[in-house]
Amino acid sequence: EAGVVQSPRYKIIEKKQPVAFWCNPISGHNTLYWYLQNLGQGPELLIRYENEEAVDDSQLPKDRFSAERLKGVDSTLKIQPAELGDSAVYLCASSLGLKADGYTFGSGTRLTVV
Amino acid sequence: AQSVAQPEDQVNVAEGNPLTVKCTYSVSGNPYLFWYVQYPNRGLQFLLKYITGDNLVKGSYGFEAEFNKSQTSFHLKKPSALVSDSALYFCAVRDIADKLIFGTGTRLQVFP
Repeated sequence: EAGVVQSPRYKIIEKKQPVAFWCNPISGHNTLYWYLQNLGQGPELLIRYENEEAVDDSQLPKDRFSAERLKGVDSTLKIQPAELGDSAVYLCASSLGLKADGYTFGSGTRLTVV
Repeated sequence: AQSVAQPEDQVNVAEGNPLTVKCTYSVSGNPYLFWYVQYPNRGLQFLLKYITGDNLVKGSYGFEAEFNKSQTSFHLKKPSALVSDSALYFCAVRDIADKLIFGTGTRLQVFP
């Protein structure tokens, strides 16, 4: 089993540029999460999907962030335009349903905005 | 609101000594508690969980955690630390909306 796959691992962009992150969850995991992890902090939920439906996007800054999971499998998180404060690690996780006893995380994408 | 607190930013321990990483929680209802570990440039890895049952939960890599309802704590423990245990450890609680809320993390440093 490949686990949760994220790409790219690292991304450096200039401010005001767009950026996109991709996540492929574990096969069969219908619930997918995007978390933001700032340096020295715990992960914070951005958005949660049940299949293709976003069931919780209350923490997603919708003025610049967007996400999609069109076929209920892989997902893309986009930032446009990026700001300096967006520099962080973006983690994707998946689980078997909303009430799963644990999540499986990907290795994350480290974004640096300069 | 559900939350967890990790009062120590860093814990230092000598190899071979027992280690404890502290976590306290605040929940309404029965707590669902988790520990995850994060190695450098890696995602979070699940260590163990408490849902119900025995207060002492055993997990991966020889770690265990003790659920204490009266003290609202869920401390992570290991009888004999290894240098390879050095990492960032996160306590988490599942909130009423069934999403994981993480603590701020504790960096464990095990010295040879």
